[in-house]
Amino acid sequence: KQEVTQIPAALSVPEGENLVLNCSFTDSAIYNLQWFRQDPGKGLTSLLLIQSSQREQTSGRLNASLDKSSGRSTLYIAASQPGDSATYLCAVGGTASKLTFGTGTRLQVTL
Amino acid sequence: DAGVTQSPTHLIKTRGQQVTLRCSPKSGHDTVSWYQQALGQGPQFIFQYYEEEERQRGNFPDRFSGHQFPNYSSELNVNALLLGDSALYLCASSLWLGGPPSITGELFFGEGSRLTVL
Repeated sequence: KQEVTQIPAALSVPEGENLVLNCSFTDSAIYNLQWFRQDPGKGLTSLLLIQSSQREQTSGRLNASLDKSSGRSTLYIAASQPGDSATYLCAVGGTASKLTFGTGTRLQVTL
Repeated sequence: DAGVTQSPTHLIKTRGQQVTLRCSPKSGHDTVSWYQQALGQGPQFIFQYYEEEERQRGNFPDRFSGHQFPNYSSELNVNALLLGDSALYLCASSLWLGGPPSITGELFFGEGSRLTVL
């Protein structure tokens, strides 16, 4: 059974800092990995999708890496802004396109 | 280009009642998946529909059932509601790429339906 862990559970940083969010998974037989953002009480916004054959993906200030063999992914956010404050969820795509989610990292960027 | 739309956004029910939630997928998508997100937790996979058939199911009881219509929209039905069914129910749409086992492209989520069971 796939299990996804996200560390840290919560993080507070001052504006402008670069930061790294971590995700680990137990079963390396995955098709892809997605990072999502969730604002309080809202749905999920897809940030980055990494296919199992890829090592990383970049979108603007975001960079996600994937190391299947070690069961790890990281989401790097450069030059953080208060608008980045949200919960970030890592989800691993297995067979049947079923996503297994971690419990998320709650990020607060302060002025 | 409309994204994934869900209705209703909020609803309150009492124990034992039944509820129906609705989802319209993103334009061009043909596969719909449903997830349940309890407070403070990550979403849990309920089931996936493609070509009007349930293709995969997570660890949820038969009280949870669904349907997909020819226009790809979908409904989630929950019977005999329990207090523990209170959650945010998320619909995700994607494009079927092949299978079995089913492989779809990137998943796009709606804003969810917040269900409160009293």
